[in-house]
Amino acid sequence: EDQVTQSPEALRLQEGESSSLNCSYTVSGLRGLFWYRQDPGKGPEFLFTLYSAGEEKEKERLKATLTKKESFLHITAPKPEDSATYLCAEAGQAGTALIFGKGTTLSVSS
Amino acid sequence: NAGVTQTPKFRILKIGQSMTLQCAQDMNHNYMYWYRQDPGMGLKLIYYSVGAGITDKGEVPNGYNVSRSTTEDFPLRLELAAPSQTSVYFCASRGIGQGTSEAFFGQGTRLTVV
Repeated sequence: EDQVTQSPEALRLQEGESSSLNCSYTVSGLRGLFWYRQDPGKGPEFLFTLYSAGEEKEKERLKATLTKKESFLHITAPKPEDSATYLCAEAGQAGTALIFGKGTTLSVSS
Repeated sequence: NAGVTQTPKFRILKIGQSMTLQCAQDMNHNYMYWYRQDPGMGLKLIYYSVGAGITDKGEVPNGYNVSRSTTEDFPLRLELAAPSQTSVYFCASRGIGQGTSEAFFGQGTRLTVV
């Protein structure tokens, strides 16, 4: 059974303090690794898709990277508005189901 | 485009009652999904569909049923509601072969079973 594990469960940062979130997956033959942001009371909002080891994508203060068994979401100089739960998901061997990790709840204080 | 629309937004059910959560998408996506989200547990896949007439079980299908008679609609049926089905339910759609193939989510249905 495919599994997605995210760490840490919660992360508290000061504004400007850079850090990374981890997402590890067990599926062989990855058909896509997805990062989402979720604000309280809202549905997840898409951030990035990664398909192959070595791939990187950036958006403002966020950069997602992918290795053969892990993905990292690097947050550079975060701001309070970056506070949210960050979810990762993999598309499974068949590329049909989307299996999510439990998420990392990020709190950034000023 | 409205994207993915879920109704209702909130619902309280009594134990043993049944209900249908509605989900519609207007992006002509072939894949659709139902998830439940409990505090601290991420999103658990209930059922998914790769096209009209085709559905498959996810991680936690017990107590739920789905159908996919059209590309646009993917209703989730709860029969004999139980307190364990108290959760927030999200529907999502995904267009394979249309760019990055990310999933788009609705705003959720908060269900309480008492």
